[in-house]
Amino acid sequence: QVQLVQSGAEVKKPGASVKVSCKASGYTFTSYGISWVRQAPGQGLEWMGWISAYNGNTNYAQKLQGRVTMTTDTSTSTAYMELRSLRSDDTAVYYCARGRQLVVFDYWGQGTLVTVSS
Amino acid sequence: DIQMTQSPSSLSASVGDRVTITCQASQDISNYLNWYQQKPGKAPKLLIYDASNLETGVPSRFSGSGSGTDFTFTISSLQPEDIATYYCQQYDNLPLFGGGTKVEIK
Repeated sequence: QVQLVQSGAEVKKPGASVKVSCKASGYTFTSYGISWVRQAPGQGLEWMGWISAYNGNTNYAQKLQGRVTMTTDTSTSTAYMELRSLRSDDTAVYYCARGRQLVVFDYWGQGTLVTVSS
Repeated sequence: DIQMTQSPSSLSASVGDRVTITCQASQDISNYLNWYQQKPGKAPKLLIYDASNLETGVPSRFSGSGSGTDFTFTISSLQPEDIATYYCQQYDNLPLFGGGTKVEIK
């Protein structure tokens, strides 16, 4: 069965970086994209960007351009999302999601809470 | 940029009621719209894709319709396990979620 398992919760200081992993299993990793979606406490869903696991092409939300990098390691079927220059408003649960045709998010990771606090 | 307006932001209904949520796009997005259910503390779950297609394994009481700018999500008979927040998501351009609708039992 398809599973996306994310790394554990992180606590970071403002200005630091965080890297969240998402290990996929149960399907051919390179046949789908991975999107990252975050949710601030009590708020809605915000799409951050996607990466094609086939060729590594990326597309990031404009507001995060320059601070976010998404990568994959096809040898371990793992996707990564790094966010730099963290601010308090980056505090959120970060989800990875498998993207059918890149844009239909049919399987999700369990979420990773990232807390940014001094 | 495309804007997505989802309404209502919350609703309260009785078990067995028909529940309807709408999502309006600021420009024509054809049928490039999905619907998700999110229960508290859990990841979202895909229910409907391409505006009206029921995802495999999703109960048939859930349905979606619409094209262009106006879309509707319906629960034909609300069940206690349907208590959740529902989100639309367009993908005509880069993915964008609506603001969500919290569904509660009256």
